[in-house]
Amino acid sequence: DVKVTQSSRYLVKRTGEKVFLECVQDMDHENMFWYRQDPGLGLRLIYFSYDVKMKEKGDIPEGYSVSREKKERFSLILESASTNQTSMYLCASSPVGVGNSPLHFGNGTRLTVT
Amino acid sequence: RKEVEQDPGPFNVPEGATVAFNCTYSNSASQSFFWYRQDCRKEPKLLMSVYSSGNEDGRFTAQLNRASQYISLLIRDSKLSDSATYLCVVNIYNTDKLIFGTGTRLQVFP
Repeated sequence: DVKVTQSSRYLVKRTGEKVFLECVQDMDHENMFWYRQDPGLGLRLIYFSYDVKMKEKGDIPEGYSVSREKKERFSLILESASTNQTSMYLCASSPVGVGNSPLHFGNGTRLTVT
Repeated sequence: RKEVEQDPGPFNVPEGATVAFNCTYSNSASQSFFWYRQDCRKEPKLLMSVYSSGNEDGRFTAQLNRASQYISLLIRDSKLSDSATYLCVVNIYNTDKLIFGTGTRLQVFP
């Protein structure tokens, strides 16, 4: 069974802090994704990666960056956290071609920025 | 206009009822369609893909209407365990982008 593990379930950070959200998958999937989920807005794609050291901007990349140094690990970085980044963050992976294969999600990190 | 629109609900139905949700999409280049299920405080999980000819998986039936640009999910003989939010998801042709609807909440009561 595919396992996508996010390092923290709940996180509280202060405005201006640098925040790292870590995600690890154990199925050798090519693609990895970071979404945020907010009430009334659904899941929105922040960044995704096709391969090691590759990254693509999603729909809302502003204020975020990512790192993929190893195939199994995809990190989301908030360079200077702001209150409007308070959200549920979901990491996901898929083998190839999201049109043909399901996304496997981690159980999420609820980030609160105060 | 949102790319994928769903009625947020909640749909409150008794056990054993049949319930249907619709989802409309605006991009005619959409090529793949899915329903995901998300339980309260949990991550989304794929429920089923939606094929052009329609498809069934046990009590669940999915339909696609390309002309009117909507997909539907029908749940027969609802169970308490079907209570969840159902997310409509669309993949745009030749991209690795999935567009998520905001979800329809279903509550099945005894």
